Amino acid sequence: DAMVIQNPRYQVTQFGKPVTLSCSQTLNHNVMYWYQQKSSQAPKLLFHYYDKDFNNEADTPDNFQSRRPNTSFCFLDIRSPGLGDAAMYLCATSRGAGSTDTQYFGPGTRLTVL
Amino acid sequence: GNSVTQMEGPVTLSEEAFLTINCTYTATGYPSLFWYVQYPGEGLQLLLKATKADDKGSNKGFEATYRKETTSFHLEKGSVQVSDSAVYFCALQTDSWGKLQFGAGTQVVVTP
Repeated sequence: DAMVIQNPRYQVTQFGKPVTLSCSQTLNHNVMYWYQQKSSQAPKLLFHYYDKDFNNEADTPDNFQSRRPNTSFCFLDIRSPGLGDAAMYLCATSRGAGSTDTQYFGPGTRLTVL
Repeated sequence: GNSVTQMEGPVTLSEEAFLTINCTYTATGYPSLFWYVQYPGEGLQLLLKATKADDKGSNKGFEATYRKETTSFHLEKGSVQVSDSAVYFCALQTDSWGKLQFGAGTQVVVTP
């Protein structure tokens, strides 16, 4: 049974055209994370929510925004995608934000920017 | 700051060979340590974890022991299968918002 679901699995957008990626979870976890993974690189944390509290990484570009309307859903909005934003976007959830709270990842959305 | 260093790949092995992927870390405090596996085109799957020194994580024939004295968390499997071909990421997690710090990843290719 899927626990962290990401839609769509593949997304194609045009340069500068806003795009939204979706993540949902059935685990009722408090924390939701968004990571960006470029080809052959490690995932890089963009931001996360602890309940409704939003925490942005210092080096996340302003072009990236996020919304969490309820516990189950979290969205990643890219306002004006550039060619450099083509990547796999991974959503993860965890019960808490401590060192022992395991993160569970979704299958990812692969974004292509034309 | 925190960092994870793991051996570069690709690592190419024959089926039934012994696999070791070295991982060392630098961290303040007492991090938890993880190995994640990523199959082609997929997200990350937790393979195993250890939350304190001398803990051994194990799953699907893979093992890793949290060695505080050598700041290491090396991954081992005694007999690999073709289905183990994937990219393996070592990671540490601290209490700072549970942020995962990943190594660069090691690609493993197992041939029949």
